[in-house]
Amino acid sequence: DAGITQSPRYKITETGRQVTLMCHQTWSHSYMFWYRQDLGHGLRLIYYSAAADITDKGEVPDGYVVSRSKTENFPLTLESATRSQTSVYFCASSESAGQGYNEQFFGPGTRLTVL
Amino acid sequence: AQSVTQLGSHVSVSEGALVLLRCNYSSSVPPYLFWYVQYPNQGLQLLLKYTSAATLVKGINGFEAEFKKSETSFHLTKPSAHMSDAAEYFCAVRGSGTYKYIFGTGTRLKVLA
Repeated sequence: DAGITQSPRYKITETGRQVTLMCHQTWSHSYMFWYRQDLGHGLRLIYYSAAADITDKGEVPDGYVVSRSKTENFPLTLESATRSQTSVYFCASSESAGQGYNEQFFGPGTRLTVL
Repeated sequence: AQSVTQLGSHVSVSEGALVLLRCNYSSSVPPYLFWYVQYPNQGLQLLLKYTSAATLVKGINGFEAEFKKSETSFHLTKPSAHMSDAAEYFCAVRGSGTYKYIFGTGTRLKVLA
């Protein structure tokens, strides 16, 4: 399927478990992003990546790990899940810089519940 | 650092009435500005974006926004609300020299019959 996909769409896990959320895009966009969405906070940037093997911390990176070995994939791992990480997670991508008004394209989201 | 402020976390309008959603940005240079819409249980979709070609930007679904540098604003409007416009709306900014996007906290629009 063309576009940006996330899996799983829904996940329930327990405190302390490792969880990986997957993100895949078919446009070969250079930039990819992970956000979490919580009531009252809007979207907060967790990590972002300019290209394969280049990643940077966003606003709320603690407790998360990312990797980007291939341009099209950008998995987000919660090393030891906590209840405070219960949220909806969105992956996004955009074309490379040079055109600052390139918009982001968002995946459908993963709703994660940590018990 | 760039920032975005959306005034009003909830806005209610009657069907057929004017929609006005407010967004103010903080930036030392004219930024790149975007409005996104999020329908329930979906990701965000681009409504429109400011590219400096024109201060009045037209988007999808009859929405438009006006860039006002003197007021550092980029308010979203629609002349006549429709029930299908009920959603959450996000203003976002991307400053020059960065590929990070900063989002406002969102405004949930309710359309009353």
